Amino acid sequence: SAVISQKPSRDICQRGTSLTIQCQVDSQVTMMFWYRQQPGQSLTLIATANQGSEATYESGFVIDKFPISRPNLTFSTLTVSNMSPEDSSIYLCSVVWMGRYEQYFGPGTRLTVT
Amino acid sequence: DQQVKQNSPSLSVQEGRISILNCDYTNSMFDYFLWYKKYPAEGPTFLISISSIKDKNEDGRFTVFLNKSAKHLSLHIVPSQPGDSAVYFCAASGGYSGGYQKVTFGTGTKLQVIP
Repeated sequence: SAVISQKPSRDICQRGTSLTIQCQVDSQVTMMFWYRQQPGQSLTLIATANQGSEATYESGFVIDKFPISRPNLTFSTLTVSNMSPEDSSIYLCSVVWMGRYEQYFGPGTRLTVT
Repeated sequence: DQQVKQNSPSLSVQEGRISILNCDYTNSMFDYFLWYKKYPAEGPTFLISISSIKDKNEDGRFTVFLNKSAKHLSLHIVPSQPGDSAVYFCAASGGYSGGYQKVTFGTGTKLQVIP
């Protein structure tokens, strides 16, 4: 397992602004992912954060709206750009090691857009 | 298209009794299944998993059963404890895709264990 931290834990932002969420892991991991959990809904994969290259986005998510960085094997950021109230969600990072199925999640960032 | 379904959004059980959480899936390519538990203000934590080559996996008070023909799995918690009160997510994986195991999550079942 791993200790995963996210910053900030929560934020209230105004429409049209951007927020960058950080995810830090205490050990090197193979894969890092970003998920969104909208109220009352399941966890939806936004993208896979690839170390040293562009993230791989799932259908319905684009780089301009959710730019992602992963400069090394223990850190990643997700930016939610030009926010609208529909972006109000919990954003979660997760990690997994190659050959394993179980993912380990950070505590999440609760974002409210007004 | 919800490929992993948890049709019961909530469940209440008396302490000491059995909790049974159900999950159905539609994609026959899924070959590995996981359960996660989530407390408020925390991320999901991995609980137990099962490969499609098995029909049962047990870990302490937690047992997962898989019925491939029915595309159904269930999580049994015996005996249930108040600390088990949480949201439980079923998840399924269809193997490697682009070098990683893409996982599809269900919508969750909120379990309340009543003391």
